[in-house]
Amino acid sequence: EIVLTQSPGTLSLSPGERATLSCRASQSVTSNSLAWYQQKPGQAPRLLLYGASSRATGIPDRFSGRGSGTDFTLTISGLEPEDSAVYYCQQYAGSHTFGQGTRLEIK
Amino acid sequence: QLQQSGPGLVKPSQTLSLTCAISGDSVSSNRAAWNWIRQSPSRGLEWLGRTYYRSKWFNDYAVSVKSRIAINPDTSKNQFSLHLNSVTPEDTAVYYCARGWEYTSWGQGTLVTVSS
Repeated sequence: EIVLTQSPGTLSLSPGERATLSCRASQSVTSNSLAWYQQKPGQAPRLLLYGASSRATGIPDRFSGRGSGTDFTLTISGLEPEDSAVYYCQQYAGSHTFGQGTRLEIK
Repeated sequence: QLQQSGPGLVKPSQTLSLTCAISGDSVSSNRAAWNWIRQSPSRGLEWLGRTYYRSKWFNDYAVSVKSRIAINPDTSKNQFSLHLNSVTPEDTAVYYCARGWEYTSWGQGTLVTVSS
């Protein structure tokens, strides 16, 4: 099973700044089968990116992803108050697994 | 869209059963997969398994629950179900159904509490 480790655990930034979230896999994620989700309290996660860098339908271009193999990054530019949420990475190359999440606070 | 239904309280040792009704797609689609995922404070987000149709039906299950889980499609009602037997309080979680390999659509979530 591929273990995903996200860092940092919590990120506190101001509106307009850029957030960089990391997801590291315990072994290579084949075919860049990695997705990112945003979850707000009381809601189901929402797909942001798939294939490491492709935006899902309706996701603004402030959200971008990169990486391959074992190291992946989600970048959110021009932070807005509504971006406050927990962000998860997920790999779907084999038996699906999730990271433990990064909490993003917009102060 | 995915609409979940099922009880919110299950007794220990019994079977947890949830249903996910699909609209706007088909459970028999050759392009989709249909998943169950749960979320708890102690275990985080945990994929449980999926069912999908590629000329025949396939199921994949997480190792952690493989001995006590079944995910079944129901083509007549365009839905799929989760059955998790021999539950313990550790199975208390919010359960979600979701579409795809990367999960493009999610159900609304069902809080299931395992307690006597």
